[in-house]
Amino acid sequence: AQSVAQPEDQVNVAEGNPLTVKCTYSVSGNPYLFWYVQYPNRGLQFLLKYITGDNLVKGSYGFEAEFNKSQTSFHLKKPSALVSDSALYFCAVRDRIISSSASKIIFGSGTRLSIRP
Amino acid sequence: EAQVTQNPRYLITVTGKKLTVTCSQNMNHEYMSWYRQDPGLGLRQIYYSMNVEVTDKGDVPEGYKVSRKEKRNFPLILESPSPNQTSLYFCASSLTGGRTDTQYFGPGTRLTVL
Repeated sequence: AQSVAQPEDQVNVAEGNPLTVKCTYSVSGNPYLFWYVQYPNRGLQFLLKYITGDNLVKGSYGFEAEFNKSQTSFHLKKPSALVSDSALYFCAVRDRIISSSASKIIFGSGTRLSIRP
Repeated sequence: EAQVTQNPRYLITVTGKKLTVTCSQNMNHEYMSWYRQDPGLGLRQIYYSMNVEVTDKGDVPEGYKVSRKEKRNFPLILESPSPNQTSLYFCASSLTGGRTDTQYFGPGTRLTVL
């Protein structure tokens, strides 16, 4: 069965420091991987996705994520954190198996990122 | 502006009183979906629709109904709400429902069932 794990409920980082939000997955074959961000009182917004090709994916607001097949991970990173990056971040996965449900996307439990000034 | 709208944004109701949460998108998307968000559980899919008159169950469909009579609208119906349906609900849409599609989310509806 597909699953996504975000092992940290909360990540605290000082402004200007690099940040990492961790995500590992379990899915048959190679997955499609996504990161979404949720600001207070808002719906989720798309940040970036890995489909194929370069393992380093660049997305919105200076975020990037690296697909690591051997470690089954897709960690979200940013070189220099901003206070405005404080939000709830969700990793999500979809499989590539045609015979499986075409529209099932599995979300992780979310990681709350807090950037202190 | 391209968007997904939900109404109401906040709702407090009592057990057993039927309610409907509306969802509408203006992007001509084929795929629409409902999720509930609970602390520590992330988002769980309730129902989804690949197109008009085509709906299917997600991971947690019990106690919910949906309909897709028009492409832009996908209402979520709770025939007899119970306290365990207290949650934050999100509607989402995407172009085709394909595996690489980006989903666009509504602002959420916070439901409390007393």
